[in-house]
Amino acid sequence: AQTVTQSQPEMSVQEAETVTLSCTYDTSESDYYLFWYKQPPSRQMILVIRQEAYKQQNATENRFSVNFQKAAKSFSLKISDSQLGDAAMYFCAYSPAGTASKLTFGTGTRLQVTL
Amino acid sequence: SAVISQKPSRDICQRGTSLTIQCQVDSQVTMMFWYRQQPGQSLTLIATANQGSEATYESGFVIDKFPISRPNLTFSTLTVSNMSPEDSSIYLCSGGRGLADTQYFGPGTRLTVL
Repeated sequence: AQTVTQSQPEMSVQEAETVTLSCTYDTSESDYYLFWYKQPPSRQMILVIRQEAYKQQNATENRFSVNFQKAAKSFSLKISDSQLGDAAMYFCAYSPAGTASKLTFGTGTRLQVTL
Repeated sequence: SAVISQKPSRDICQRGTSLTIQCQVDSQVTMMFWYRQQPGQSLTLIATANQGSEATYESGFVIDKFPISRPNLTFSTLTVSNMSPEDSSIYLCSGGRGLADTQYFGPGTRLTVL
């Protein structure tokens, strides 16, 4: 079974600074997808960024980028120029390719953004 | 992206009763799923909602407890049956358009069972 591990229960960053959230996963599949979702207090799950395992290039979305290390099974999220609105729970998730897009989530990292 | 709505947004129920949660997607999606998020926990997949047929349940979840319907491509319901306080959670539905498409989530239903 696939597992997703987020070893940082809480992180804190000052506004305008950069923070990196860690995620590792375990799978025997060669093709899969990785995601970062954000869950603010409103509890709405919001997609932050997505990475296809077959792509070597790291995904980027504005201030959000990932460091995808397939051999190490590592998928970290970097948030640049942090803003107060970035404060939320961040979940790393895995989905094997070729199945019904079922997501396996990590335990989450709570990000605080301070002034 | 898909816009997904859920009703109700929250409810407080008595033990032994049942609650049906509705999920509506603004466009046709191939796959719909139901997740549970227990207090302070991550999301756990309950089942895949299949159009016109029985849902596919994950280990630890059974149809008698969590009956699911999906009469068409844009609508699904999840019933939490014979509730106990342990069922107090946020229940979220999600939808995606392909086998490996990105899933979009509804706003969740916060259920409290007394």
